[in-house]
Amino acid sequence: AQSVSQHNHHVILSEAASLELGCNYSYGGTVNLFWYVQYPGQHLQLLLKYFSGDPLVKGIKGFEAEFIKSKFSFNLRKPSVQWSDTAEYFCAVGNTGGFKTIFGAGTRLFVKA
Amino acid sequence: DVKVTQSSRYLVKRTGEKVFLECVQDMDHENMFWYRQDPGLGLRLIYFSYDVKMKEKGDIPEGYSVSREKKERFSLILESASTNQTSMYLCASSFGQGTIYGYTFGSGTRLTVV
Repeated sequence: AQSVSQHNHHVILSEAASLELGCNYSYGGTVNLFWYVQYPGQHLQLLLKYFSGDPLVKGIKGFEAEFIKSKFSFNLRKPSVQWSDTAEYFCAVGNTGGFKTIFGAGTRLFVKA
Repeated sequence: DVKVTQSSRYLVKRTGEKVFLECVQDMDHENMFWYRQDPGLGLRLIYFSYDVKMKEKGDIPEGYSVSREKKERFSLILESASTNQTSMYLCASSFGQGTIYGYTFGSGTRLTVV
């Protein structure tokens, strides 16, 4: 069955700490990979995406993610988090040529000032 | 910027009522989607549409139907609301074929069924 697994449901970090959120997927065929973010009280927005080429992709606000095909992983990273990064982060996978995107359960990140 | 507008931010309905959730996008996107978001479960696809009058079931279509009479509007209908349909409902749209471009989401409708 197609699925997306996010390793942590809740993460608490202090400002300036490094962040890595894990994401693994089970999906046949060629995929497009996404990270979305939902800040408190705001709508979901696209943080970054991968569909081909360089497996290390950079997104907004200093975030990056690395696609490791052999591990079916697409982990999100940020070298130094800020209080304003407090949000819920969703990993998502869509099959190339299809219409459906499957989302993980989400990781709530809280950054202490 | 693409805008996806959901008609209501909060709704409270009674069990058994027929409920309409409306979504409008303003950038001529072909594809539109309805998800529900529940804590610990992430987003689950209810229905999607890739063209006017076309609809496809998602992963949890039971108890729901949809309508897409115009390209910009995609409605979600709860035929007879039940308490287990209390949730946040998210509408999204996307451009072109496939999932390559990602989604633009609306702000969501938090529905409470009492």
